[in-house]
Amino acid sequence: GAGVSQTPSNKVTEKGKYVELRCDPISGHTALYWYRQSLGQGPEFLIYFQGTGAADDSGLPNDRFFAVRPEGSVSTLKIQRTERGDSAVYLCASSLTGDTGELFFGEGSRLTVL
Amino acid sequence: DAKTTQPPSMDCAEGRAANLPCNHSTISGNEYVYWYRQIHSQGPQYIIHGLKNNETNEMASLIITEDRKSSTLILPHATLRDTAVYYCIILQHSNYQLIWGAGTKLIIKP
Repeated sequence: GAGVSQTPSNKVTEKGKYVELRCDPISGHTALYWYRQSLGQGPEFLIYFQGTGAADDSGLPNDRFFAVRPEGSVSTLKIQRTERGDSAVYLCASSLTGDTGELFFGEGSRLTVL
Repeated sequence: DAKTTQPPSMDCAEGRAANLPCNHSTISGNEYVYWYRQIHSQGPQYIIHGLKNNETNEMASLIITEDRKSSTLILPHATLRDTAVYYCIILQHSNYQLIWGAGTKLIIKP
């Protein structure tokens, strides 16, 4: 498609389970970002990829969170041993290069941890 | 890091100009001001950005004060579809990261 695609759009899981969220960026965009958004708040930065490498992972809250982008296109955000506090909308964005603030966002994946 | 301050909510009548203010008194000389909006249950959408000059595109106009400590986003003829949360953001020059606040919830009334 033409835009950033995220799957699943909704995920309900139980505390302690493992979750993967997928992001398919706009073709040709080298930069990819993951954000997390709680109700009533602005997006919170998690990690930024330039190509295949994580250029900045300073926003990952702890070592239960991990993200990969093995071929420089699709990215997967992985959350181990989920906790109720991980419930949020996880947003993915891409941009043509990494030196711009003009990002294109997907619709997000809503994660609910019971 | 430069932070922004926005009113939590605003109303505007349909067809009128919506003027959304933003304070960014700690902005550095080479940091850009970006505006995004987020319609309910959708991802954020880029609107416009600027450094020191006023900017206009098909969506909006951005007016930045001469001292760059504040800016105003103008939607010239607001429609009901412009109801959204509007975020004023400073792009950090050190790492090109956007630091988001809570934004302004703009409600357009018929």
